[in-house]
Amino acid sequence: KNQVEQSPQSLIILEGKNCTLQCNYTVSPFSNLRWYKQDTGRGPVSLTIMTFSENTKSNGRYTATLDADTKQSSLHITASQLSDSASYICVVSDNSGGGADGLTFGKGTHLIIQP
Amino acid sequence: DADVTQTPRNRITKTGKRIMLECSQTKGHDRMYWYRQDPGLGLRLIYYSFDVKDINKGEISDGYSVSRQAQAKFSLSLESAIPNQTALYFCATSETYGGAQYFGPGTRLLVL
Repeated sequence: KNQVEQSPQSLIILEGKNCTLQCNYTVSPFSNLRWYKQDTGRGPVSLTIMTFSENTKSNGRYTATLDADTKQSSLHITASQLSDSASYICVVSDNSGGGADGLTFGKGTHLIIQP
Repeated sequence: DADVTQTPRNRITKTGKRIMLECSQTKGHDRMYWYRQDPGLGLRLIYYSFDVKDINKGEISDGYSVSRQAQAKFSLSLESAIPNQTALYFCATSETYGGAQYFGPGTRLLVL
């Protein structure tokens, strides 16, 4: 069964500090991995997509990495801001062509930035 | 204007009542989805539809039904609401298989 595990479940850091969120998956065959940001009271929004051949991708202060061999991804946030407080959800897509969209969702990491 | 809208945004109902949650989109996507989100459980798929004549059950469809009235409209009904259906409900669309999901703002439902 395809699974996506995220860690930590929750994280509190001070404004201006860096942090890294982890996503481990057992999804086969792998197609892509997306990180979503969900602000409180709102729907998730896609931050970045990683495909099999990509190791690193940046979106402003967010940098995602992918190690397809170990089936791990990380999301690094640099110089955190109060607006980074949100839940971050890792979603992995297979390319089996079956089901809804071959999507497996992680349960998310709840990040709180303190001033 | 938002690409994916949901109504109502908040709803309180009583056990046994029938309620409908509505979703509309202007993205022109054929693929639409209903999810529920519970603390500690993440997003779980209830139903999905790839066009007006296509309706499919997700992993937690029991107690729910859907209607795809048009390409842009996808409604979720709770036939007889029960307290464990208290959750945050999201509608989403996507353009392609495995593509990015575009979520609505969510409906917060409380069943008493």
